[in-house]
Amino acid sequence: LAKTTQPISMDSYEGQEVNITCSHNNIATNDYITWYQQFPSQGPRFIIQGYKTKVTNEVASLFIPADRKSSTLSLPRVSLSDTAVYYCLVVLMNNAGNMLTFGGGTRLMVKP
Amino acid sequence: EAGVAQSPRYKIIEKRQSVAFWCNPISGHATLYWYQQILGQGPKLLIQFQNNGVVDDSQLPKDRFSAERLKGVDSTLKIQPAKLEDSAVYLCASSSPGTSSYNEQFFGPGTRLTVL
Repeated sequence: LAKTTQPISMDSYEGQEVNITCSHNNIATNDYITWYQQFPSQGPRFIIQGYKTKVTNEVASLFIPADRKSSTLSLPRVSLSDTAVYYCLVVLMNNAGNMLTFGGGTRLMVKP
Repeated sequence: EAGVAQSPRYKIIEKRQSVAFWCNPISGHATLYWYQQILGQGPKLLIQFQNNGVVDDSQLPKDRFSAERLKGVDSTLKIQPAKLEDSAVYLCASSSPGTSSYNEQFFGPGTRLTVL
């Protein structure tokens, strides 16, 4: 399983764009890059997943360079409610259910 | 749709006692997972079920932890006897391969266990 490295914590202010970068140097051909969000006292929640280039949904954008050794989660115009832990995972996709290996995540604190 | 349900939400026991957690996955989800999340760390997978069969239990401390999913729906996770280091949040998740191209996992709110 490819290991991921991401900053332990980040601070931001309301209305700013936040970019969280994750490195995964040993990513394999069949691995996908997946991000989960976890609020205090809740289970993690899927945010976005991608294989290469750029993926965008209503919550975030995910940028993946051609070599796929890193990825950047972009949260546009954050609000106080975006304060959470964000986990970057490399996931082998298969039909039996994907195994998730969580690291320590990035604790994002959004200030007013 | 209803989410993953877990009970109890909180449990306090003394070391060497036994405890059981219950999980009801999202209806129709064939795959069920149990995770252990120690304070300040990311969740760690303990066991994965596909229907009522075990797919992976390599990180389950089998000398004290056990889990079952008898009818391929609800699941229970048991600790017997508990140790101080078992204090953590126990998360249940479910997924349904084929219904989402992302095969995402849906997590319950967790059970917070404190072992004194």
